Amino acid sequence: ELKVEQNPLFLSMQEGKNYTIYCNYSTTSDRLYWYRQDPGKSLESLFVLLSNGAVKQEGRLMASLDTKARLSTLHITAAVHDLSATYFCAVYPLMEYGNKLVFGAGTILRVKS
Amino acid sequence: DAGVIQSPRHEVTEMGQEVTLRCKPISGHDYLFWYRQTMMRGLELLIYFNNNVPIDDSGMPEDRFSAKMPNASFSTLKIQPSEPRDSAVYFCASTRGTREQYFGPGTRLTVT
Repeated sequence: ELKVEQNPLFLSMQEGKNYTIYCNYSTTSDRLYWYRQDPGKSLESLFVLLSNGAVKQEGRLMASLDTKARLSTLHITAAVHDLSATYFCAVYPLMEYGNKLVFGAGTILRVKS
Repeated sequence: DAGVIQSPRHEVTEMGQEVTLRCKPISGHDYLFWYRQTMMRGLELLIYFNNNVPIDDSGMPEDRFSAKMPNASFSTLKIQPSEPRDSAVYFCASTRGTREQYFGPGTRLTVT
């Protein structure tokens, strides 16, 4: 069974600081997704990472994928309050039948001004 | 594109009543997913369809839950009878193949 683990699960950081959220998964996959969820809202797609070494950047967020290590990172640069949200990573397992996207538990990010 | 559409956005009902949640996926998408999100259990996949056919319903919690997809543009999730522990936000998502899933706004269900 595929397990997707995120850490930390809760992150409180000061504005202007940098930090990284980690997403580890337990089986072979070549595609990983990051989603953002604001309180009371739906999940919104942030990044689609489709190959080993893929790196995507959007504003103060940068995501990368290392399929050999089964690891993705979401790096936050000079955090601002607007980045406060819950961030999920999600993986399609290659070896399992079906089309299930397996989600991590989510990382709750609070940026304090 | 209007995105995934769900209705109602909020539903408050009494225990024992039947509840029907509705979803219209993005046109051209061949997969549709129903998820449930609670503080305690996080985001759970309940069931998904491919080309209107249910593929995996292993996440459906009990026989009280049922889902249908009569055509490519409409799906329902029904709970009968509803119980307080069914209170959650229910999301519908759609995609084409193994691409990223697009989520609807969700239905917040409260069962009293």
